[in-house]
Amino acid sequence: QVQLVQSGAEMKKPGASVTASCKASGYSFTMSAIHWVRQAPGQGLEWMGWINPGNGNTKYSQNFQGRITITRDASANTVYMELRSLRSGDTAVYYCTRERSGSQYKNWFDPWGQGSLVTVSS
Amino acid sequence: QSALTQPASVSGSPGQSITISCTGTSSDVGGYDYVSWYQQYPGKVPKLLIYAVTERPSGVSHRFSGSKSGNTASLTISGLQADDEADYFCISYTDTSARVFGGGTKVTVL
Repeated sequence: QVQLVQSGAEMKKPGASVTASCKASGYSFTMSAIHWVRQAPGQGLEWMGWINPGNGNTKYSQNFQGRITITRDASANTVYMELRSLRSGDTAVYYCTRERSGSQYKNWFDPWGQGSLVTVSS
Repeated sequence: QSALTQPASVSGSPGQSITISCTGTSSDVGGYDYVSWYQQYPGKVPKLLIYAVTERPSGVSHRFSGSKSGNTASLTISGLQADDEADYFCISYTDTSARVFGGGTKVTVL
């Protein structure tokens, strides 16, 4: 079945960087965009960016411009999200999710990874 | 990119209908028919309810319906049930090919 498995929880100090991974299985990796979404404790969903695993093209939210890089390793069916210059407000669960192929299916996100908790604290 | 505007909370009695609004701009909600709605229970991943403004994936109850007028999209839940108590989020495609979520709405069944 289609599945996204994310890396484990991380604890980081302010100013550090974190890289979360998202390994896909059960479908053709290069055919569907992967998006990253985060959710701070008790807060809403925040869209961070997406990557086209086929060609590596990316688009980031202006809210993270300059701090985020999303990459992929097609040989490993894995997408990576690096967030730099971490601050306490970056404490959140970070999700990867697959967007269904086809222009009419924009924002059809399924499945979701299990989430990676990143805690930023001194 | 500013978040889309949703009411923080909406409540209703069992059997009633409620509507959640999602207001953006002509650069996102108003400019494209790419608004989706998600339901999220505490500690769970979001579940797709509506895509392309009005379309319902198979398996989603017909009690959920979507619409749009101008820069505002709406999700209507008919025949409100106890297990509809959850958080609901809208998301739109934007003119820069980015995405933007709404702030979320907590639905309470009285």
